[in-house]
Amino acid sequence: KAGVTQTPRYLIKTRGQQVTLSCSPISGHRSVSWYQQTPGQGLQFLFEYFSETQRNKGNFPGRFSGRQFSNSRSEMNVSTLELGDSALYLCASSSLYNEQFFGPGTRLTVL
Amino acid sequence: SQELEQSPQSLIVQEGKNLTINCTSSKTLYGLYWYKQKYGEGLIFLMMLQKGGEEKSHEKITAKLDEKKQQSSLHITASQPSHAGIYLCGADLSGANSKLTFGKGITLSVRP
Repeated sequence: KAGVTQTPRYLIKTRGQQVTLSCSPISGHRSVSWYQQTPGQGLQFLFEYFSETQRNKGNFPGRFSGRQFSNSRSEMNVSTLELGDSALYLCASSSLYNEQFFGPGTRLTVL
Repeated sequence: SQELEQSPQSLIVQEGKNLTINCTSSKTLYGLYWYKQKYGEGLIFLMMLQKGGEEKSHEKITAKLDEKKQQSSLHITASQPSHAGIYLCGADLSGANSKLTFGKGITLSVRP
């Protein structure tokens, strides 16, 4: 089976812009979670989608949003980008047994 | 304070030596995950433990879960340079399954 894929792998944006990241889970997995990783805060949970519905949410401002499509692919959007949004964004898909497999991540740099 | 504490913070071992790293939670563990990460890359799934006393092994890596102590240990036997990287533990602290809380990670270096 192919692993979790994320696009794009690298992105450079300027403050105030918005960005959309994409994640394709492992075939058959219906749950997709998003995480933000920074040197200061480490890995932090953003939100989780299951069958096109947000099931869990972390403590991030409303500028961070996501959605999931009927084929389980997920996107996350960050609006009005701030310098502090520079991070590695990781998505993970979960198996029926709750094993979470991560993608390679999208490195976002905000200038 | 951190909900998940990993120790030690970093570790340098000679190739061939055994080592153990730990992950301790301040809350009830509903599931404990171990991952390995190369800097700036995605997380590689190593093992998931869900039951107290559970022990799993894969190649030269063994992980155990002590539910009473709310702690997990990861043991590497006969370390190799390929074991070098950042080891992260993630935990389900709410029973929500997919919402994981992570420790800060342990950087392991293996000297040839």
